[in-house]
Amino acid sequence: GAGVSQSPRYKVAKRGQDVALRCDPISGHVSLFWYQQALGQGPEFLTYFQNEAQLDKSGLPSDRFFAERPEGSVSTLKIQRTQQEDSAVYLCASSLSGGAGNTIYFGEGSWLTVV
Amino acid sequence: AQRVTQPEKLLSVFKGAPVELKCNYSYSGSPELFWYVQYSRQRLQLLLRHISRESIKGFTADLNKGETSFHLKKPFAQEEDSAMYYCALMDNQGGKLIFGQGTELSVKP
Repeated sequence: GAGVSQSPRYKVAKRGQDVALRCDPISGHVSLFWYQQALGQGPEFLTYFQNEAQLDKSGLPSDRFFAERPEGSVSTLKIQRTQQEDSAVYLCASSLSGGAGNTIYFGEGSWLTVV
Repeated sequence: AQRVTQPEKLLSVFKGAPVELKCNYSYSGSPELFWYVQYSRQRLQLLLRHISRESIKGFTADLNKGETSFHLKKPFAQEEDSAMYYCALMDNQGGKLIFGQGTELSVKP
């Protein structure tokens, strides 16, 4: 596709419900990132994949958050037993490879509201 | 600790006025710094990176290691520059970005 694609664009979940957010990176991009952006804040790093390997998950806020990229392409961010503080925009981004010389491209985000 | 600070949440200027969006960073080592922009209802996109020393849409940013700053400047603001601007630092382990809180630029006619 032309860019990073995320679905669903909008999700309303009841507290305690599990959600899954999908990311389709740009074809051929090795690196894939997930960020969380709360209202009025900048994006905060959650986790990073290089191909199918999850190299950094230091930003995941709790063990309720889980991400995978089993075939090195599409990635899914799963949030179990959602809480109100999970309400945020979840941004996926990809780049050809790591390093400052490669542009990181962002998706439009998945807006999660937990009620 | 690695940190990016953008002290202004909102910056409002008139069309044709100079603009400076401030960014300070804390990082041990040689930083890789970026400015990202998000126009209304659009995705976050790269505006410029310091290693390229480029000028995009009239914007420039100079890395000042002594002051640990990477301020974004434009001599004459245009209405279409109105957007959210985020300064970001690239972590040299894996390439993740550390963002500031963002500055909303509003350019009035």
